[in-house]
Amino acid sequence: DVKVTQSSRYLVKRTGEKVFLECVQDMDHENMFWYRQDPGLGLRLIYFSYDVKMKEKGDIPEGYSVSREKKERFSLILESASTNQTSMYLCASSIYRGVNQPQHFGDGTRLSIL
Amino acid sequence: AQSVTQLGSHVSVSEGALVLLRCNYSSSVPPYLFWYVQYPNQGLQLLLKYTTGATLVKGINGFEAEFKKSETSFHLTKPSAHMSDAAEYFCAVSEGSGGGADGLTFGKGTHLIIQP
Repeated sequence: DVKVTQSSRYLVKRTGEKVFLECVQDMDHENMFWYRQDPGLGLRLIYFSYDVKMKEKGDIPEGYSVSREKKERFSLILESASTNQTSMYLCASSIYRGVNQPQHFGDGTRLSIL
Repeated sequence: AQSVTQLGSHVSVSEGALVLLRCNYSSSVPPYLFWYVQYPNQGLQLLLKYTTGATLVKGINGFEAEFKKSETSFHLTKPSAHMSDAAEYFCAVSEGSGGGADGLTFGKGTHLIIQP
């Protein structure tokens, strides 16, 4: 089974802090994704990556950046956290760029910005 | 641009009754469609997917969905609800372009409630 591991289940940070959310997958997948999930809004794509050191903006990239230095690891960075970034963050991976490849999700990080 | 509409943010059915969760999509190209389930405090788990071929797709846990191009729909059904089916369900679409984004566009989700 594919395993997507997010480093923290719950995280509390303060406004203005730089926040790092880490995600690791163990199946040598090429694609990795970051979504945020908010009640009534479903999941929205923040950033994704096709390969090491490559990144693409999703639908809501503002206030976020990403890093992919190794194939198995994809980090989401909140440069200066704000309260409107309080949310559930989900990481996903898929095997390669074929559009019919399902994405495998981690259990999520519930982030609170105070 | 692609989009997904899930009718009903909450659906309540009795245990043993038919489950029907509705999903309509818009897409400029033939879509790839997915249903995911999310149990409390967990990530999303793939239930089933439609890519090409047979329009009736069977998934895990007794769920199935039918792709109807003329209705731009991909409704999820299960003949007999079980208490363990209580969860949030998400419909998602991917268009792709042979090298374009593989990110999914999700509906807002439907919370399925099972009444004993």
